[in-house]
Amino acid sequence: DAGVIQSPRHEVTEMGQEVTLRCKPISGHDYLFWYRQTMMRGLELLIYFNNNVPIDDSGMPEDRFSAKMPNASFSTLKIQPSEPRDSAVYFCASSDPDVEGYTFGSGTRLTVV
Amino acid sequence: QKEVEQNSGPLSVPEGAIASLNCTYSDRGSQSFFWYRQYSGKSPELIMSIYSNGDKEDGRFTAQLNKASQYVSLLIRDSQPSDSATYLCAAGGQNFVFGPGTRLSVLP
Repeated sequence: DAGVIQSPRHEVTEMGQEVTLRCKPISGHDYLFWYRQTMMRGLELLIYFNNNVPIDDSGMPEDRFSAKMPNASFSTLKIQPSEPRDSAVYFCASSDPDVEGYTFGSGTRLTVV
Repeated sequence: QKEVEQNSGPLSVPEGAIASLNCTYSDRGSQSFFWYRQYSGKSPELIMSIYSNGDKEDGRFTAQLNKASQYVSLLIRDSQPSDSATYLCAAGGQNFVFGPGTRLSVLP
């Protein structure tokens, strides 16, 4: 398996633009997580899905952030409009209840200027 | 709200020494704990898990759990420069809560 695949690896955008981050979880994993990592706040959970259904989105910072999982092999995290304070590394991770721990994707480094 | 605390470091140890990384957690209901290693610019990777009180060994790594004290630790024996990374402690459940990480530097 190729692991958790995220795209793009790097994204530089101007303030006010829409940004869409993409994730393909490991096949067969029924949990998918979106995390954001910054130096100041560490690794923060934004939202997670179980069997494509959002379970907890309490970590989503505000209405500018939205996430979808239309099927078991694809999820998006959208920021509209983007702001400089959204600059961070965004990780997607997936897990299977029968396998311990999460597997993280390589992350998307977002810079909003 | 579940919280996981770690010293941010950096923790510097000489090559060949034992590195000791510590973590405390707030939720007494947490049943599973994980240590992740994160190299600079890379994603976290799972290195150890522990569920029961006591020690669990895997190669040069030993995880220790004390649920009464709400304390988890990771010992790295015979530390190598390649162990230099940030180590993240996580308390499990349906979703993990990660600590801020401890930066370890192993000096040749």
